[in-house]
Amino acid sequence: KQEVTQIPAALSVPEGENLVLNCSFTDSAIYNLQWFRQDPGKGLTSLLLIQSSQREQTSGRLNASLDKSSGRSTLYIAASQPGDSATYLCAVKETSGSRLTFGEGTQLTVNP
Amino acid sequence: SAVISQKPSRDICQRGTSLTIQCQVDSQVTMMFWYRQQPGQSLTLIATANQGSEATYESGFVIDKFPISRPNLTFSTLTVSNMSPEDSSIYLCSVEGVRERGPDTQYFGPGTRLTVL
Repeated sequence: KQEVTQIPAALSVPEGENLVLNCSFTDSAIYNLQWFRQDPGKGLTSLLLIQSSQREQTSGRLNASLDKSSGRSTLYIAASQPGDSATYLCAVKETSGSRLTFGEGTQLTVNP
Repeated sequence: SAVISQKPSRDICQRGTSLTIQCQVDSQVTMMFWYRQQPGQSLTLIATANQGSEATYESGFVIDKFPISRPNLTFSTLTVSNMSPEDSSIYLCSVEGVRERGPDTQYFGPGTRLTVL
């Protein structure tokens, strides 16, 4: 059974810092991995999707990497801003059209 | 991304009653899913909504408690039946297979926050 773990559970940084969020998964036979952002009481916003054949994806200040063999992904946020404060969720999909298995999330606070 | 709406956005219900949540997408999608997020926890898949046939439920979830409909490629409903306080959660609809946005990305609706007294 696939299990997804995110470290740290919470992170507080001053504005302008670069930071890394970590995600690990137990079964490396994944189809893709997706990073989401969730604001309090809201739904999820898709940030980046990495297919199993890819090593990384970039969007603006965000860069996500994938090392499938070691079961790890990282989300790098450059020059953090208070508006980046949210919970960041990592999710893996094992086959096309199947469900996502989510990690517990990292709650990020960026202090002005 | 696909525009996904859910109704109601929130509700407070009495124990023993039922609530039906609607999910509407602005374009045809291949897959529709229903997730639950209990307070302070991550998301758990309830079921995959299949068009024109019975939903596929995950372990621990049953049709009598969470009946699901999907009459077409843009709409689905989830009913939470005979509610108890343990059903207090955020219920989220998600979709996959948005033609113009890449077939594999899952998009989520804004969620329905349910409180059962």
